[in-house]
Amino acid sequence: GEDVEQSLFLSVREGDSSVINCTYTDSSSTYLYWYKQEPGAGLQLLTYIFSNMDMKQDQRLTVLLNKKDKHLSLRIADTQTGDSAIYFCAEKDTGNQFYFGTGTSLTVIP
Amino acid sequence: NAGVTQTPKFQVLKTGQSMTLQCAQDMNHEYMSWYRQDPGMGLRLIHYSVGAGITDQGEVPNGYNVSRSTTEDFPLRLLSAAPSQTSVYFCASSPGTSSPLHFGNGTRLTVT
Repeated sequence: GEDVEQSLFLSVREGDSSVINCTYTDSSSTYLYWYKQEPGAGLQLLTYIFSNMDMKQDQRLTVLLNKKDKHLSLRIADTQTGDSAIYFCAEKDTGNQFYFGTGTSLTVIP
Repeated sequence: NAGVTQTPKFQVLKTGQSMTLQCAQDMNHEYMSWYRQDPGMGLRLIHYSVGAGITDQGEVPNGYNVSRSTTEDFPLRLLSAAPSQTSVYFCASSPGTSSPLHFGNGTRLTVT
């Protein structure tokens, strides 16, 4: 399968911005996604970006895509304690298969 | 609208026992899939289905069987449970090719 990589942990102070990074190997990705997983729950879709876009903004969330470097990032502005969770990057290939990263555990320090 | 429903939420099995994890969706999604989540390994695809009567293997299919007799249901069967199958299992569905996955809340399985 394709490789999707993320760092495992990130800590930020409440009110700061968080940036979660993801790299992938499949140059034919069609869509790239960010999911949030709270403890004991399933994955909840946060946002997604089509592969021909560079940026997408949705309230406090900004997604940046560098297709040349195969790099995706999720920026959360004004991070709150309720943002503490595991964030998964995922890509969908032209065969409609999804590949997930290992997840980044975000801890927000009050 | 219930979305994707998984049962049970928790299960403990002894090595060698069999069981079925249930998954049902009420959104008329054609695509359904099963993932397992293990620490530090993200989500790995076990089996998937693109419609009733059609199933295919994912990345880690060994030890698991699936069937898709209806659009709504996609059960995952463990024929002879092993400790290596201790994991959290997620069912997910999608309406089509340009759509994201919708996840259930997971089943936490422990095999002793």
